[in-house]
Amino acid sequence: QKEVEQNSGPLSVPEGAIASLNCTYSDRVSQSFFWYRQYSGKSPELIMSIYSNGDKEDGRFTAQLNKASQYVSLLIRDSQPSDSATYLCAFLRGKLIFGQGTELSVKP
Amino acid sequence: GAVVSQHPSRVICKSGTSVKIECRSLDFQATTMFWYRQFPKQSLMLMATSNEGSKATYEQGVEKDKFLINHASLTLSTLTVTSAHPEDSSFYICSARWTGGVESSYNEQFFGPGTRLTVL
Repeated sequence: QKEVEQNSGPLSVPEGAIASLNCTYSDRVSQSFFWYRQYSGKSPELIMSIYSNGDKEDGRFTAQLNKASQYVSLLIRDSQPSDSATYLCAFLRGKLIFGQGTELSVKP
Repeated sequence: GAVVSQHPSRVICKSGTSVKIECRSLDFQATTMFWYRQFPKQSLMLMATSNEGSKATYEQGVEKDKFLINHASLTLSTLTVTSAHPEDSSFYICSARWTGGVESSYNEQFFGPGTRLTVL
């Protein structure tokens, strides 16, 4: 079993819709969870960090963490074509443990 | 977010030469920096963890004598690819961990823009 599992993509949504990205993890100890966005040919960019159960909102992005279910998600509201990228979920255990990424495509 | 820079952004070299890549945290001090490598269409692969003032910790399978890491200050880490060969051609990305600030951003890790290495 992989330590971090993400939706197998690609995920395609129309412009203006809500994109939902999901991630499950195996570690019960980690307290720090992150979402990164990586455009093709570029390095990862941190878009959200979340440490407590519940929701954390930042602009159009909402991260949700459920430690009991070992689940973290990212919602992107009003998706834009510029959101098209690979989204990486990660948790911290000394070093970042990444999922394989979910490719999101937002169609105009 | 915090800013991490890398230099150079792109380098082409001949087989057998050495290449040095610099990674700087511009607006914060980073006791821990990380070096990753990414091949096209593949996941990020952690190569080593660099701690200021001490030896780097290399991931399994990464040759420490080939990939020399120096973290001489709280804002600078360097990766030297020694005797580079075509199979070392890749996208090298450094990252620095933010360990200060408020609880809402603790342990956030920021990536540099990457260095694309091509070995001919």
